Amino acid sequence: EPEVTQTPSHQVTQMGQEVILRCVPISNHLYFYWYRQILGQKVEFLVSFYNNEISEKSEIFDDQFSVERPDGSNFTLKIRSTKLEDSAMYFCASSTTYGQGLYEQFFGPGTRLTVL
Amino acid sequence: AQSVTQLGSHVSVSEGALVLLRCNYSSSVPPYLFWYVQYPNQGLQLLLKYTSAATLVKGINGFEAEFKKSETSFHLTKPSAHMSDAAEYFCAVSKNTGGFKTIFGAGTRLFVKA
Repeated sequence: EPEVTQTPSHQVTQMGQEVILRCVPISNHLYFYWYRQILGQKVEFLVSFYNNEISEKSEIFDDQFSVERPDGSNFTLKIRSTKLEDSAMYFCASSTTYGQGLYEQFFGPGTRLTVL
Repeated sequence: AQSVTQLGSHVSVSEGALVLLRCNYSSSVPPYLFWYVQYPNQGLQLLLKYTSAATLVKGINGFEAEFKKSETSFHLTKPSAHMSDAAEYFCAVSKNTGGFKTIFGAGTRLFVKA
């Protein structure tokens, strides 16, 4: 069964460093998303991406964040200068673009980001 | 705007007892609703989904949920709890206009006592 994959599973970085989280969405999906979950809290939407541009972003997704689809398979989230409060689990998700499939997102296993 | 509210941040049941996790939604249009389960230090696993077909939805691991429009509810139930059901459960609604993001509730942690 196709699935969303994410690398790395755990990333440790120093405050102020740049990190790139990588995701490979399901191959025929064209809508992509990033969510984050701070430890013990709910899952929060960061950004959605379609047709090589951002469809929607939350207040959390400020200028320190960016997303990119550098090739036909990867979808990345970059944090330019990490802060302690960026420590969280980051989930990538994807969905199809037709019918009810639009509304069901398939989530990856997550990348745990620890900022020291 | 769409939202979900989960009643009870913690629920404790005995093994073999009924599990009932409550979720109410707010949506101006017919919603798409989901329940996810998250085990410690793991990702999100889809338990079941409501997409405007049958109002009683059956999912994995013996869970089911009933969509009640009159009560704007989508409560999750399981007739008999098992120790392995101990986890965090999230109710979620999918935004049905541009962006189609999923909006999650705050989560309910289920404890199962032996």
